[in-house]
Amino acid sequence: DIQMTQSPSSLPASLGERVTISCRASQGISNNLNWYQQKPDGTIKPLIYYTSNLQSGVPSRFSGSGSGTDYSLTISSLEPEDFAMYYCQQDASFPTFGAGTKLELK
Amino acid sequence: EVQLVESGGGLVQPGSPLKLSCAASGFTFSSNWLNWIRQAPGKGLEWVASINPDGSSTYYPDTVKGRFVVSKDNAKNTGYLQMNNLRSEDTAMYYCARAYDGTPSWFAYWGQGTLVTVSS
Repeated sequence: DIQMTQSPSSLPASLGERVTISCRASQGISNNLNWYQQKPDGTIKPLIYYTSNLQSGVPSRFSGSGSGTDYSLTISSLEPEDFAMYYCQQDASFPTFGAGTKLELK
Repeated sequence: EVQLVESGGGLVQPGSPLKLSCAASGFTFSSNWLNWIRQAPGKGLEWVASINPDGSSTYYPDTVKGRFVVSKDNAKNTGYLQMNNLRSEDTAMYYCARAYDGTPSWFAYWGQGTLVTVSS
């Protein structure tokens, strides 16, 4: 199985701040990396697929990048609705998720 | 609008079976992979089953292989997860998720989940 190491596990930040969440795979995943947002009520929303492609309706302040084993999600200017959990997921093989990053208001 | 609605969760004793359903609407159900993902209380996401569009192939991680069976009825637009010999560690919210067109496991649409609690 491909292991996904996500960091940080917790990220205090302020409104308007730029933040980056990282995800490292235990082996190369050829850009097969997706990002999801989970709100406190459990609702899960796909954000980015195949490293850098925004899902329809996702604001342009979200972006993704990376290659090989290292990937990242960046939010350019935090809005109130962005404070949530974020998960990376690889689908180069049987899907596995990172442990999550809790983006919280500083 | 794509909708996925899970049902069938509840409180069961260890060793018991339970069958979850995922009612789909707003898309051609027979065209997409269907997946089940779970989340234990306070924990992260874990993929537990996938089935291809026509239902002929299924996949599981080792944690549930031999105990869980995924299926889909394309005529009823409904997917299922039969869970057997349940353990306390299977306690979780179970989500069904539809994959994006032509892919098995980019989870483009999610349901709201159904809670399974395994306890004596």
